[in-house]
Amino acid sequence: DTEVTQTPKHLVMGMTNKKSLKCEQHMGHRAMYWYKQKAKKPPELMFVYSYEKLSINESVPSRFSPECPNSSLLNLHLHALQPEDSALYLCASSQTGGLTEAFFGQGTRLTVV
Amino acid sequence: ELKVEQNPLFLSMQEGKNYTIYCNYSTTSDRLYWYRQDPGKSLESLFVLLSNGAVKQEGRLMASLDTKARLSTLHITAAVHDLSATYFCAVLTYNNNDMRFGAGTRLTVKP
Repeated sequence: DTEVTQTPKHLVMGMTNKKSLKCEQHMGHRAMYWYKQKAKKPPELMFVYSYEKLSINESVPSRFSPECPNSSLLNLHLHALQPEDSALYLCASSQTGGLTEAFFGQGTRLTVV
Repeated sequence: ELKVEQNPLFLSMQEGKNYTIYCNYSTTSDRLYWYRQDPGKSLESLFVLLSNGAVKQEGRLMASLDTKARLSTLHITAAVHDLSATYFCAVLTYNNNDMRFGAGTRLTVKP
Protein backbone atom coordinates (compact mmCIF):
# COMPACT_ATOMS: atom_id res chain seq x y z
CA ASP A 1 0.00 0.00 0.00
CA THR A 2 1.70 3.18 -1.20
CA GLU A 3 -1.25 5.46 -0.74
CA VAL A 4 -1.77 8.65 1.13
CA THR A 5 -5.50 9.18 1.56
CA GLN A 6 -6.94 12.64 2.06
CA THR A 7 -10.51 13.49 2.97
CA PRO A 8 -12.57 15.28 1.94
CA LYS A 9 -11.66 15.81 -1.72
CA HIS A 10 -13.61 19.07 -1.88
CA LEU A 11 -14.68 21.42 0.90
CA VAL A 12 -16.64 24.66 0.83
CA MET A 13 -16.78 26.51 4.12
CA GLY A 14 -17.88 29.86 5.42
CA MET A 15 -15.57 32.22 7.23
CA THR A 16 -17.14 31.40 10.59
CA ASN A 17 -17.07 27.62 10.18
CA LYS A 18 -14.78 25.06 11.80
CA LYS A 19 -13.73 22.11 9.69
CA SER A 20 -10.94 19.54 9.57
CA LEU A 21 -8.89 17.99 6.81
CA LYS A 22 -7.69 14.43 7.31
CA CYS A 23 -4.72 12.51 5.97
CA GLU A 24 -3.86 8.85 6.50
CA GLN A 25 -0.99 6.59 5.44
CA HIS A 26 -0.09 3.01 6.34
CA MET A 27 3.43 2.83 4.92
CA GLY A 28 5.13 3.25 8.27
CA HIS A 29 6.39 6.69 7.28
CA ARG A 30 7.37 8.81 10.27
CA ALA A 31 7.46 12.20 8.50
CA MET A 32 4.19 13.80 7.43
CA TYR A 33 3.61 17.14 5.75
CA TRP A 34 0.95 19.71 4.99
CA TYR A 35 1.37 21.89 1.91
CA LYS A 36 -0.80 24.65 0.51
CA GLN A 37 -0.88 25.14 -3.25
CA LYS A 38 -2.46 28.09 -5.03
CA ALA A 39 -3.22 27.93 -8.73
CA LYS A 40 -0.12 27.92 -10.95
CA LYS A 41 2.20 28.07 -7.93
CA PRO A 42 4.43 25.45 -6.29
CA PRO A 43 3.36 23.67 -3.12
CA GLU A 44 4.19 25.83 -0.12
CA LEU A 45 5.29 24.05 3.04
CA MET A 46 3.06 24.66 6.08
CA PHE A 47 3.89 22.02 8.69
CA VAL A 48 6.12 18.98 9.13
CA TYR A 49 5.66 16.27 11.74
CA SER A 50 8.54 13.93 12.52
CA TYR A 51 7.77 10.99 14.80
CA GLU A 52 4.44 12.63 15.69
CA LYS A 53 6.12 15.83 16.85
CA LEU A 54 5.86 19.15 15.08
CA SER A 55 9.30 19.83 13.60
CA ILE A 56 8.51 22.68 11.22
CA ASN A 57 5.86 25.39 11.42
CA GLU A 58 6.31 27.89 8.64
CA SER A 59 4.75 30.79 10.53
CA VAL A 60 1.33 29.67 9.44
CA PRO A 61 -1.59 31.74 10.84
CA SER A 62 -3.18 30.24 13.94
CA ARG A 63 -6.46 29.72 12.08
CA PHE A 64 -4.68 26.59 10.77
CA SER A 65 -4.01 24.08 13.54
CA PRO A 66 -2.25 20.79 12.77
CA GLU A 67 -2.57 17.63 14.82
CA CYS A 68 -0.83 14.27 14.58
CA PRO A 69 -2.76 11.85 16.82
CA ASN A 70 -0.65 8.84 15.80
CA SER A 71 1.96 7.77 13.28
CA SER A 72 -0.63 7.11 10.56
CA LEU A 73 -2.86 10.14 10.86
CA LEU A 74 -2.45 13.84 10.27
CA ASN A 75 -5.21 16.40 10.66
CA LEU A 76 -5.46 20.07 9.78
CA HIS A 77 -8.09 21.94 11.78
CA LEU A 78 -9.50 25.05 10.15
CA HIS A 79 -11.22 27.92 11.90
CA ALA A 80 -12.23 31.43 10.83
CA LEU A 81 -10.54 31.16 7.45
CA GLN A 82 -10.35 33.94 4.90
CA PRO A 83 -11.22 33.75 1.18
CA GLU A 84 -7.50 33.97 0.36
CA ASP A 85 -7.04 30.64 2.13
CA SER A 86 -8.87 28.95 -0.74
CA ALA A 87 -6.36 26.54 -2.28
CA LEU A 88 -5.44 22.90 -2.81
CA TYR A 89 -4.17 21.42 0.45
CA LEU A 90 -1.79 18.52 -0.02
CA CYS A 91 -0.64 15.97 2.51
CA ALA A 92 2.55 13.97 2.02
CA SER A 93 4.54 11.35 3.89
CA SER A 94 8.08 10.04 3.66
CA GLN A 95 10.54 7.78 5.39
CA THR A 96 12.91 9.62 7.66
CA GLY A 97 15.94 8.11 5.99
CA GLY A 98 16.99 6.15 2.94
CA LEU A 99 16.25 6.42 -0.72
CA THR A 100 12.50 6.37 -0.71
CA GLU A 101 9.78 8.35 -2.33
CA ALA A 102 7.70 11.03 -0.68
CA PHE A 103 4.09 10.22 -1.48
CA PHE A 104 1.37 12.79 -1.90
CA GLY A 105 -2.33 12.46 -1.34
CA GLN A 106 -4.86 13.61 -3.93
CA GLY A 107 -5.43 16.82 -2.07
CA THR A 108 -8.40 18.70 -0.66
CA ARG A 109 -9.73 21.53 -2.80
CA LEU A 110 -10.81 24.14 -0.25
CA THR A 111 -13.05 27.08 -1.06
CA VAL A 112 -13.74 29.70 1.60
CA VAL A 113 -16.83 31.81 0.97
CA GLU B 1 17.09 28.30 4.93
CA LEU B 2 16.82 25.79 2.12
CA LYS B 3 16.09 27.48 -1.22
CA VAL B 4 15.33 25.71 -4.48
CA GLU B 5 15.57 27.44 -7.85
CA GLN B 6 14.20 25.92 -11.01
CA ASN B 7 14.45 27.09 -14.59
CA PRO B 8 13.05 27.70 -17.04
CA LEU B 9 9.63 28.48 -15.59
CA PHE B 10 7.93 28.07 -18.94
CA LEU B 11 8.98 25.80 -21.77
CA SER B 12 7.28 25.43 -25.11
CA MET B 13 8.71 22.60 -27.19
CA GLN B 14 7.96 20.99 -30.49
CA GLU B 15 7.39 17.28 -30.60
CA GLY B 16 10.56 15.36 -31.26
CA LYS B 17 12.88 17.95 -29.71
CA ASN B 18 15.13 17.62 -26.66
CA TYR B 19 15.41 19.96 -23.71
CA THR B 20 16.70 20.17 -20.12
CA ILE B 21 15.15 21.59 -16.97
CA TYR B 22 17.51 22.73 -14.22
CA CYS B 23 17.14 22.64 -10.43
CA ASN B 24 19.63 24.37 -8.11
CA TYR B 25 19.45 24.24 -4.33
CA SER B 26 21.18 26.20 -1.61
CA THR B 27 22.26 23.75 1.11
CA THR B 28 23.49 20.21 1.44
CA SER B 29 20.59 17.96 0.73
CA ASP B 30 19.85 14.34 1.45
CA ARG B 31 17.30 13.59 -1.23
CA LEU B 32 16.06 15.20 -4.43
CA TYR B 33 12.73 14.47 -6.07
CA TRP B 34 11.17 15.21 -9.41
CA TYR B 35 7.38 15.37 -9.67
CA ARG B 36 4.88 15.85 -12.43
CA GLN B 37 1.61 17.69 -11.91
CA ASP B 38 -1.29 17.81 -14.36
CA PRO B 39 -3.82 20.67 -14.05
CA GLY B 40 -6.11 20.22 -11.06
CA LYS B 41 -4.32 17.06 -9.96
CA SER B 42 -1.90 16.08 -7.23
CA LEU B 43 1.80 15.35 -7.60
CA GLU B 44 3.05 12.24 -9.33
CA SER B 45 6.48 11.01 -8.30
CA LEU B 46 8.91 10.63 -11.20
CA PHE B 47 12.37 10.17 -9.67
CA VAL B 48 14.18 10.02 -6.34
CA LEU B 49 17.89 10.86 -6.42
CA LEU B 50 20.25 10.44 -3.51
CA SER B 51 23.90 10.12 -4.36
CA ASN B 52 26.29 12.23 -6.37
CA GLY B 53 26.30 11.21 -10.02
CA ALA B 54 22.97 9.39 -9.73
CA VAL B 55 21.17 9.05 -13.04
CA LYS B 56 17.71 7.61 -13.50
CA GLN B 57 15.68 7.15 -16.66
CA GLU B 58 12.05 6.41 -17.33
CA GLY B 59 10.86 6.55 -20.92
CA ARG B 60 11.70 9.92 -22.44
CA LEU B 61 12.74 11.46 -19.10
CA MET B 62 16.16 11.23 -17.51
CA ALA B 63 17.16 12.83 -14.21
CA SER B 64 20.65 13.35 -12.83
CA LEU B 65 22.16 14.75 -9.66
CA ASP B 66 25.43 16.56 -8.95
CA THR B 67 25.57 17.08 -5.20
CA LYS B 68 28.82 19.04 -5.36
CA ALA B 69 27.29 21.62 -7.70
CA ARG B 70 23.92 21.30 -5.89
CA LEU B 71 22.31 20.81 -9.28
CA SER B 72 19.84 18.36 -10.71
CA THR B 73 18.67 18.16 -14.30
CA LEU B 74 15.62 16.65 -15.94
CA HIS B 75 16.29 15.89 -19.59
CA ILE B 76 13.48 15.37 -22.04
CA THR B 77 14.26 13.35 -25.15
CA ALA B 78 12.10 13.48 -28.29
CA ALA B 79 9.20 15.20 -26.56
CA VAL B 80 5.64 14.06 -27.16
CA HIS B 81 2.38 15.85 -26.40
CA ASP B 82 1.63 13.56 -23.43
CA LEU B 83 4.58 15.08 -21.57
CA SER B 84 2.79 18.44 -21.34
CA ALA B 85 2.48 19.17 -17.60
CA THR B 86 4.18 21.12 -14.82
CA TYR B 87 7.39 19.59 -13.49
CA PHE B 88 8.66 20.31 -10.00
CA CYS B 89 11.90 19.47 -8.26
CA ALA B 90 11.87 19.18 -4.48
CA VAL B 91 14.76 18.91 -2.05
CA LEU B 92 14.66 17.21 1.34
CA THR B 93 17.06 17.54 4.25
CA TYR B 94 17.03 14.82 6.90
CA ASN B 95 17.76 16.90 9.96
CA ASN B 96 14.20 18.13 10.23
CA ASN B 97 12.60 16.55 7.16
CA ASP B 98 12.39 19.94 5.50
CA MET B 99 11.11 19.44 1.92
CA ARG B 100 10.95 22.47 -0.39
CA PHE B 101 9.86 22.84 -3.97
CA GLY B 102 11.20 24.74 -6.92
CA ALA B 103 8.84 27.12 -8.70
CA GLY B 104 7.97 24.53 -11.33
CA THR B 105 8.44 24.36 -15.09
CA ARG B 106 5.28 24.50 -17.15
CA LEU B 107 6.00 22.39 -20.20
CA THR B 108 3.90 22.55 -23.34
CA VAL B 109 4.71 20.19 -26.20
CA LYS B 110 3.27 21.26 -29.53
CA PRO B 111 2.81 19.09 -32.61
